[in-house]
Amino acid sequence: GAGVSQSPSNKVTEKGKDVELRCDPISGHTALYWYRQSLGQGLEFLIYFQGNSAPDKSGLPSDRFSAERTGGSVSTLTIQRTQQEDSAVYLCASSLGVQDRDGYTFGSGTRLTVV
Amino acid sequence: GNSVTQMEGPVTLSEEAFLTINCTYTATGYPSLFWYVQYPGEGLQLLLKATKADDKGSNKGFEATYRKETTSFHLEKGSVQVSDSAVYFCALDTNAGKSTFGDGTTLTVKP
Repeated sequence: GAGVSQSPSNKVTEKGKDVELRCDPISGHTALYWYRQSLGQGLEFLIYFQGNSAPDKSGLPSDRFSAERTGGSVSTLTIQRTQQEDSAVYLCASSLGVQDRDGYTFGSGTRLTVV
Repeated sequence: GNSVTQMEGPVTLSEEAFLTINCTYTATGYPSLFWYVQYPGEGLQLLLKATKADDKGSNKGFEATYRKETTSFHLEKGSVQVSDSAVYFCALDTNAGKSTFGDGTTLTVKP
């Protein structure tokens, strides 16, 4: 696609429910990144993919968080048993590859609110 | 590990004022440096970049010079506009698989 597409743009969920956030990167971009931005805070790294592999999962906050990428394209970030502290904007970005030094293209984010 | 430290905000300026947002970094290896901008309600956009020492990145009237000796990449603009109001993020990339971002600096420009 022309840009990085994230869906849904907004999600309100009840505490304890599972949610899935989707990211569709720019066509041809082999690297995909998930970050979290809490209100008034900077960007917190969650996970990145090179192709379908996730070499670095060190940023996932707990085992309730998981992510996958299939076909070297779309990625899904899943949060199980959501908690109020999971409320944040989840940002996805892509780049040509992890060795690429041209910077990232970000999506508009998914605003998650856990009530 | 890698880290980026940005000037704390918020920063409030009058239109046509000079802007500086400080950014310093700590990194292993030879990082590429970036400034991203986030307008209200939007995702981050790459504003400018520099890949080696003494390179100057520039875009939309903004400039930043990669200073290896002071490990800095300060963002400057000679005359800000109301439309420049946004959050600015400094970031670095060392081919470690992910970029490291600063906490962001909120800029408000008043007419």
